[in-house]
Amino acid sequence: ILNVEQSPQSLHVQEGDSTNFTCSFPSSNFYALHWYRWETAKSPEALFVMTLNGDEKKKGRISATLNTKEGYSYLYIKGSQPEDSATYLCAFKGGSEKLVFGKGTKLTVNP
Amino acid sequence: GAGVSQSPSNKVTEKGKDVELRCDPISGHTALYWYRQSLGQGLEFLIYFQGNSAPDKSGLPSDRFSAERTGGSVSTLTIQRTQQEDSAVYLCASSFIGQPYEQYFGPGTRLTVT
Repeated sequence: ILNVEQSPQSLHVQEGDSTNFTCSFPSSNFYALHWYRWETAKSPEALFVMTLNGDEKKKGRISATLNTKEGYSYLYIKGSQPEDSATYLCAFKGGSEKLVFGKGTKLTVNP
Repeated sequence: GAGVSQSPSNKVTEKGKDVELRCDPISGHTALYWYRQSLGQGLEFLIYFQGNSAPDKSGLPSDRFSAERTGGSVSTLTIQRTQQEDSAVYLCASSFIGQPYEQYFGPGTRLTVT
């Protein structure tokens, strides 16, 4: 059974703080690691798809790193804003087409 | 362009009734996925369609669940004799295949079984 773990489960930060959270996944049979942002009452939105060990991706104030050998990825948010409040999901893609999701990290940014 | 759409957005049904959930994927996406999120759980894979290939049904939790995709486009997820544990948000996603493409999600259907 594939296990994808995310930590912390929830996080409260103040506006302007930088923050990061972790996704752990199997280090074998790796194909891709996805990050999604899921805002309340909206559809999950893709942030990054990462495939190569050592990959770093950036979109605005959000960035992610990938270590496939040890099986983890970090998501960083610089200078958090209230609109960053959402649940951040990571998903592992191995040998099949389906994604295995973690339970997510719920981020709340207080103004 | 139009994204993935799902209907209904909310469905309340009595235990034992059948329900049908609909998904319209993005035009041109050959892969279609169904997931659900139960309270306190992560997104759980249910079923995957790719073109004309046989679907991957490995995530369907019981034989009360079935899905079809007509004409390679619209998909319907059917739950027969609903149980309270079927209450969840059911999400549909579509994508291109062959590369690790991102999946585009619909807004979901919130199913409540009373």
